[in-house]
Amino acid sequence: GAGVSQSPSNKVTEKGKDVELRCDPISGHTALYWYRQSLGQGLEFLIYFQGNSAPDKSGLPSDRFSAERTGGSVSTLTIQRTQQEDSAVYLCASSLRGGTYEQYFGPGTRLTVT
Amino acid sequence: KNEVEQSPQNLTAQEGEFITINCSYSVGISALHWLQQHPGGGIVSLFMLSSGKKKHGRLIATINIQEKHSSLHITASHPRDSAVYICAVRSIRGSTGNQFYFGTGTSLTVIP
Repeated sequence: GAGVSQSPSNKVTEKGKDVELRCDPISGHTALYWYRQSLGQGLEFLIYFQGNSAPDKSGLPSDRFSAERTGGSVSTLTIQRTQQEDSAVYLCASSLRGGTYEQYFGPGTRLTVT
Repeated sequence: KNEVEQSPQNLTAQEGEFITINCSYSVGISALHWLQQHPGGGIVSLFMLSSGKKKHGRLIATINIQEKHSSLHITASHPRDSAVYICAVRSIRGSTGNQFYFGTGTSLTVIP
């Protein structure tokens, strides 16, 4: 079946512009995660959605970052007024349920802020 | 100090060798994940553990909750095992228990 998909695969933007990154989770998965992987650094948790519950935003690095999940399916991560330090690969993952269910990762969106 | 420490950072092995990658963590956890990331590729979840041991093909993962330590073993290593292996823990801290911490990864190269 179809896995987690993300778009775009690559995004180059100028400093100060806003960007939107999209994630389509596996159908039927109620939990969705966003992560960031910066060059030379490890993975970093950003935000977690579980069903209709309020999202856990504890990993978002600043108020320039926001995410929403419409209809319990597709999610959009928005970065406002991008900075060069926002350059990273942004990964989305979904799992059947929250908690200790296996996560399936998308291919990521490589964001470059010039 | 990182909440998750992996060792070694880099590992080169000859095909067929038995490989061990270690992960130590300092927080209380509800689950530990081992992830595999190939160069230029996506991330695949290999194991999710909350206790004991799991085996999948040539891969074995163990966890010792009391010692806050996990190991990933690869038996009869093959060049296609070359990848970065990442240890990740789901903390039980926080109001929702969703805080994730990641190790910096172990880069494995298996030489034919």
